[in-house]
Amino acid sequence: DAGITQSPRHKVTETGTPVTLRCHQTENHRYMYWYRQDPGHGLRLIHYSYGVKDTDKGEVSDGYSVSRSKTEDFLLTLESATSSQTSVYFCAISGDRGDRNEQFFGPGTRLTVL
Amino acid sequence: GENVEQHPSTLSVQEGDSAVIKCTYSDSASNYFPWYKQELGKRPQLIIDIRSNVGEKKDQRIAVTLNKTAKHFSLHITETQPEDSAVYFCAASGLTGGGNKLTFGTGTQLKVEL
Repeated sequence: DAGITQSPRHKVTETGTPVTLRCHQTENHRYMYWYRQDPGHGLRLIHYSYGVKDTDKGEVSDGYSVSRSKTEDFLLTLESATSSQTSVYFCAISGDRGDRNEQFFGPGTRLTVL
Repeated sequence: GENVEQHPSTLSVQEGDSAVIKCTYSDSASNYFPWYKQELGKRPQLIIDIRSNVGEKKDQRIAVTLNKTAKHFSLHITETQPEDSAVYFCAASGLTGGGNKLTFGTGTQLKVEL
């Protein structure tokens, strides 16, 4: 597997609390992505980054914010968690050379909002 | 935006038979079509991909075909084995300056029976 880690791997929190998920890569890849996976929906893009401090919204960005202050870390923040944000969150990375199409996924974070 | 539909949602085959999973996409500008395999509790793993300038690509028992005119692409697995049992996702994207935003299908649960 590509050098991608996510933390925490599991989290249970309460409605209204802030939550930050971290994605860390050791591949020095330019592009990083956050997806959520829910039954019946496949994977849906939340936000992505195309460089340090360069981010943009994906398909389901409402209620989420991201930050990327250095190449290796991409943070996903739920400012005020809701039960609808209970999901499995995957980070992915891709390069910026001929292989930049290929996205490799991290191990995922299972988040439960009570 | 892009919309990807995937069929069937479940597929059961006998070991040694072939399996075919089909996807359609809506955006004619899409030019990259990967397939991911996800085992229970694991991360999605890229198994094969195809670009729009190619009609077919093979890798051992796995092949993908693309029909740009009809906007559909398919995954073919021959000589299925029990370890092929997993959820398979198709995806589509167009290369942009901001990387590679994938739109996923909703997945196919493949079960290979002995």
